[in-house]
Amino acid sequence: EVQLVESGGGLVQPGGSLRLSCAASGFSFSTYSMNWVRQAPGKGLEWVSYISSNINTIYYADSVKGRFTISRDNAKNSLYLQMNSLRDEDTAVYYCARDRPPRSSTPASFGYWGQGTLVTVSS
Amino acid sequence: DIQMTQSPSTLSASVGDRVTITCRASQSISSWLAWYQQKPGRAPKLLIYKASSLESGVPSRFSGSGSGTEFTLTISSLQPDDFATYYCQQYNSLGTFGQGTKVEIK
Repeated sequence: EVQLVESGGGLVQPGGSLRLSCAASGFSFSTYSMNWVRQAPGKGLEWVSYISSNINTIYYADSVKGRFTISRDNAKNSLYLQMNSLRDEDTAVYYCARDRPPRSSTPASFGYWGQGTLVTVSS
Repeated sequence: DIQMTQSPSTLSASVGDRVTITCRASQSISSWLAWYQQKPGRAPKLLIYKASSLESGVPSRFSGSGSGTEFTLTISSLQPDDFATYYCQQYNSLGTFGQGTKVEIK
């Protein structure tokens, strides 16, 4: 059974940093590209970042470019999101999501999602 | 950037109704479109990918159609479990979601 479990969310002050993790199991992690998607309270979904299965390709939404860094450790079956210079508008539930097809070179449809971790940016 | 516009924003329907949700892209995305269902407090669930392909395990009452810039999600006979919010997502160029359509009980 495919499982994605996010962790690392919490309350942080504006300008602060936080690192999210996503532990994957039940599939060959190194074969699939991964994404972070967020959802502000009561709002819609926003794609945040993508990393290819071989770590060669990374993309960011304009709203987080230069502040967030996506990474992965295929040996540990883990995905990460380092978030720096956090702003009030970064407050959201952050989901990790697996591309549906293996070895995609760009974000695809997202076949599996974690349960999400809440990040609250507030003073 | 590609913008995705869903309509309507809210839809009131009854069990057994045929429901159609529309998603329009600001430029052609070929068939690179997905549909998701999300219930309160839960992660989204993939229903349709590549505009019209049904994800494994999704009931056949869900169907998708369209290409280019205009797409539809149809629920042929609305069931109690289908009251939720639905999102389209383009993946022709990175990933952009529509603003969502809430399907509520009439």
